[in-house]
Amino acid sequence: KAGVTQTPRYLIKTRGQQVTLSCSPISGHRSVSWYQQTPGQGLQFLFEYFSETQRNKGNFPGRFSGRQFSNSRSEMNVSTLELGDSALYLCASSLTGQGKGEAFFGQGTRLTVV
Amino acid sequence: AQTVTQSQPEMSVQEAETVTLSCTYDTSESDYYLFWYKQPPSRQMILVIRQEAYKQQNATENRFSVNFQKAAKSFSLKISDSQLGDAAMYFCAYRNAGGTSYGKLTFGQGTILTVHP
Repeated sequence: KAGVTQTPRYLIKTRGQQVTLSCSPISGHRSVSWYQQTPGQGLQFLFEYFSETQRNKGNFPGRFSGRQFSNSRSEMNVSTLELGDSALYLCASSLTGQGKGEAFFGQGTRLTVV
Repeated sequence: AQTVTQSQPEMSVQEAETVTLSCTYDTSESDYYLFWYKQPPSRQMILVIRQEAYKQQNATENRFSVNFQKAAKSFSLKISDSQLGDAAMYFCAYRNAGGTSYGKLTFGQGTILTVHP
């Protein structure tokens, strides 16, 4: 079956702009989580959505937001981009988002803010 | 809050030999799950192995095995018969069993593994 698909793969934006990233989970998976990966901070949890509801969020400013659609596809939005938002953004899908269940990751979106 | 520490930024191993990657974690929870993920240059994270905290038996998956020491909060990964395709960044990750930890994995800083032919 198809894996987790993230689009676009690469993105270059200017400071102050906003950006929307997309994640299509594995069919049947209802949980989608987002992570930011940077060389300095490593992998940090942004938020998780399940059945269109945000169930959990990490310590990121309100400029970072997301949503999930009825088909489980998720989008992540960053407004008023800062240079420090340059990172690899990964999404992960799983059946329930809990327990020992495997989280399947996409290949990520590389965001560069100039 | 839970933390995960990988004290080895880089490791190297000769092809066909064995290497052990270290991971320690800190938590006040008694029920949780631990994972090792691999991230090759293609960037896609792949699950290598997982361990349930309430199981004393160490998990194994083919050439990969763990040494889980719950009291010491240690979770190391052993790779036997290393192959060139094992070269990647390896991340140790933690997830609470319940509560409000939905979708959240806490990752260590990663260990870059180089495999020499």
